[in-house]
Amino acid sequence: AQSVTQPDIHITVSEGASLELRCNYSYGATPYLFWYVQSPGQGLQLLLKYFSGDTLVQGIKGFEAEFKRSQSSFNLRKPSVHWSDAAEYFCAVGLNTGNQFYFGTGTSLTVIP
Amino acid sequence: DADVTQTPRNRITKTGKRIMLECSQTKGHDRMYWYRQDPGLGLRLIYYSFDVKDINKGEISDGYSVSRQAQAKFSLSLESAIPNQTALYFCATSDLKGTEAFFGQGTRLTVV
Repeated sequence: AQSVTQPDIHITVSEGASLELRCNYSYGATPYLFWYVQSPGQGLQLLLKYFSGDTLVQGIKGFEAEFKRSQSSFNLRKPSVHWSDAAEYFCAVGLNTGNQFYFGTGTSLTVIP
Repeated sequence: DADVTQTPRNRITKTGKRIMLECSQTKGHDRMYWYRQDPGLGLRLIYYSFDVKDINKGEISDGYSVSRQAQAKFSLSLESAIPNQTALYFCATSDLKGTEAFFGQGTRLTVV
């Protein structure tokens, strides 16, 4: 069965520090890969996505993610975190048939001054 | 206007009551989904629909039903609400290839 693992439930970083959020997936082939962000009281906004090609993808708000096939990982990074980045982050995988999207349990990010 | 609109945004209901959550979209997508979000559990799929005549159960469909009234409308019903259905509910849409899921703002449901 497909699964998405986000091992870090909660992360705290200082403003200006770098950030890496981890995501591992279990699937027989390379699925579509996504990172979504949820600000308090809001819906989910797409940060970036990977389908194929260059394994380093750039997203909105200065985020990037790297697909590593050998590790079945799709980790999210940002070089310098801003206070406005405090939110819940979800990794997701999708079958390329568009049947379903599977989400991780989320990582809550706190940014301290 | 939002591409995916959910109504109501917040609802408090009593145990045993029937409640319907509505979702409409202007994306022109055939595929629509209902998810439930609980703290520490992420988003779990309740039902999904590929078109008006196609409805499929997700991983947690017990206690829920859905209706796809038109391509643009997909409603979720709780026939007899219970407290453990208290959660944040999201509707989403996608194109045929699933290149992105577009989410509504969510409905916060409290069953007392």
